[in-house]
Formats: sequence, structure tokens, C-alpha cells
Amino acid sequence: EAGVTQFPSHSVIEKGQTVTLRCDPISGHDNLYWYRRVMGKEIKFLLHFVKESKQDESGMPNNRFLAERTGGTYSTLKVQPAELEDSGVYFCASSQDRGNTVAFGQGTRLTVV
Amino acid sequence: AQSVTQLDSQVPVFEEAPVELRCNYSSSVSVYLFWYVQYPNQGLQLLLKYLSGSTLVESINGFEAEFNKSQTSFHLRKPSVHISDTAEYFCAVLYGNKLVFGAGTILRVKS
Repeated sequence: EAGVTQFPSHSVIEKGQTVTLRCDPISGHDNLYWYRRVMGKEIKFLLHFVKESKQDESGMPNNRFLAERTGGTYSTLKVQPAELEDSGVYFCASSQDRGNTVAFGQGTRLTVV
Repeated sequence: AQSVTQLDSQVPVFEEAPVELRCNYSSSVSVYLFWYVQYPNQGLQLLLKYLSGSTLVESINGFEAEFNKSQTSFHLRKPSVHISDTAEYFCAVLYGNKLVFGAGTILRVKS
């Protein structure tokens, strides 16, 4: 079984540019989560999809971040325009059951310069 | 709000020595607790979890953690570490539909 896959693994962009991160969850997992770790701090929740619906987006920092999950399969997280403080590692995770057996991807390291 | 505290940001230890990574959480309700590990250049992997039942849970590679409700702790232990255990370890609690993580503890095993 393939795990959670994230693309790209690294991205370096200039302030003001747009970046789109992609996550492919484990097949059959209805729940998809985005988390972020900024500069060695805690890993923090961003949002949660159940299939194609946003269940909880309370952790999204501001309206420069837009997450979508087309057809309840893969998800994208767009940052537009990127700011320096957006640098960090963005993790995607998925689960079949809500919450308690969550598998994480390898993360996308985003650097905004 | 839920919070998780990992008191040690780094723990250096010699190979074959015992280690304890501390984790305390704040909660007044039933909790589900987790330890995740991130090896260098890899993603987060579930190490072990406490959902209910026995308060002592074990992983396949010799780690164990004990849920202590009175002390609101979920410390991770291993009696004898290997070089390959060098990684960053994250304690987390499930709060509703989201995981709340501690800041992480880097375990450095030296030969």
C-alpha cells in the first residue's frame, strides 16, 4: 500500500510568489489533514477534509492560504502571495477513521526568500 | 485549549544507555495519546499510541510509554538505545479531529 505522498519535497520561492503544494492520501482514506511546522516550533493543525468537504479550517493562518480537495482524492494547498513567515515544513496526513490512526507524508519544506 | 509540553528539546545519550523522553499534556477529558518519530530526511511515523485499556503501550522497536492520568503524563522510555534511534520524537494528543503536538525532542545517540 502506498503511503501519503507529497509533492514537491522542497520549494524555494521569492516573497510575493505563489506556490502550490500537493498531497495524495492513502487510497480509501476519507480524512485528509494539513499541518505545518514553522522554524522548529510545534507542528500545528491547519485544516481537515472529509472527502471533498472542509470539516475544520480553524488552523488556517489567513486568507493567503487556500486548500482544495478535488473529488475527495488528492488535495492542494496554495499560498498566494507567499510571505517570509510562511517558511516551514508542510505535512499532509490521512486516515480512514477520524483521528486515531493518522498516517503522515514526508512533508514539503517551503522556503520563502 | 489542549496543550502538550515536551520539557527537553534535546537529549544526548550514549548507545546502550536507557532514555526517557518526557511528555505532559493538559486535558480534563479522556485523551488519546501518541508518540511520533521523524528520522533524518523522513516523514513522521507513528511510534505508539494509547487509546484505552492498558496504560503501558509498546512499540515494535523496544520503546514503551505509560499513560499516567493523575500526572497527565505520557513519557517515552527505552531501556537500551541504538545509534539508529537518533531522531526527533513528538508527543501528541488528539483533540476532537486534530492532533495537538509538543515541540519535539531530538534524541542524539552517541557511540
